[in-house]
Amino acid sequence: QVQLQQSGPGLVRPSQTLSLTCAISGDSVSSSSAAWNWIRQSPSRGLEWLGRTFLRSKWYNDYAVSVKSRITISPDTSKNQFSLHLNSVTPEDTAVYYCARDLSGYFVRWGQGILVTVSS
Amino acid sequence: QPVLTQSPSASASLGASVRLTCTLSSGHSTYAIAWHQQQPEKGPRYLMKVNSDGSHYKGDGIPDRFSGSSSGAERYLTISSLQSEDEADYYCQTWGAATGVFGGGTKLTVL
Repeated sequence: QVQLQQSGPGLVRPSQTLSLTCAISGDSVSSSSAAWNWIRQSPSRGLEWLGRTFLRSKWYNDYAVSVKSRITISPDTSKNQFSLHLNSVTPEDTAVYYCARDLSGYFVRWGQGILVTVSS
Repeated sequence: QPVLTQSPSASASLGASVRLTCTLSSGHSTYAIAWHQQQPEKGPRYLMKVNSDGSHYKGDGIPDRFSGSSSGAERYLTISSLQSEDEADYYCQTWGAATGVFGGGTKLTVL
């Protein structure tokens, strides 16, 4: 059974970079059928999809328009994991962040979630 | 890209059935959606995918009490024999123009 284990700091200073990692077990980040996503949830925005990375003939990324200028999602094949980097954060980026595996666009497995607070 | 509309709240009695609705925006009535359950203080869990023809495909371990169906632009999640642990937020989700899309969620109260 696929499991996703998230890690990363729970507090980030404003203007800094938020960095989280999602370790995969039971599947490969290099899967030709799955994609690997980051999603966040806050009371003001609800569930918000941020972006994904996936391998077909080459590595691809899709990003939400709202964060496209600030986000990078990258795979690490040596560790079978993928990462989120969101730069220039503000308090509005405070949320619970989830990683998720999608098959054909449907999020079939979620990580446990990490609350990230942006505050000085 | 599609917009998904859900009623903010619903309620039903223990042991009864309830049907939750997710409505696709105009021009997107053929889209499939997924339903996710979020119990209090927990992360979301995938329940099922529902196609426009009403066929549905549940995730591992999802009880038979949960089923999906469709009518036009509406996608439904029906929960029968309601149990206390079914009290949760339910979100629908789809995909459009290389973007993941969520509904606003329905908070289900089991009376």
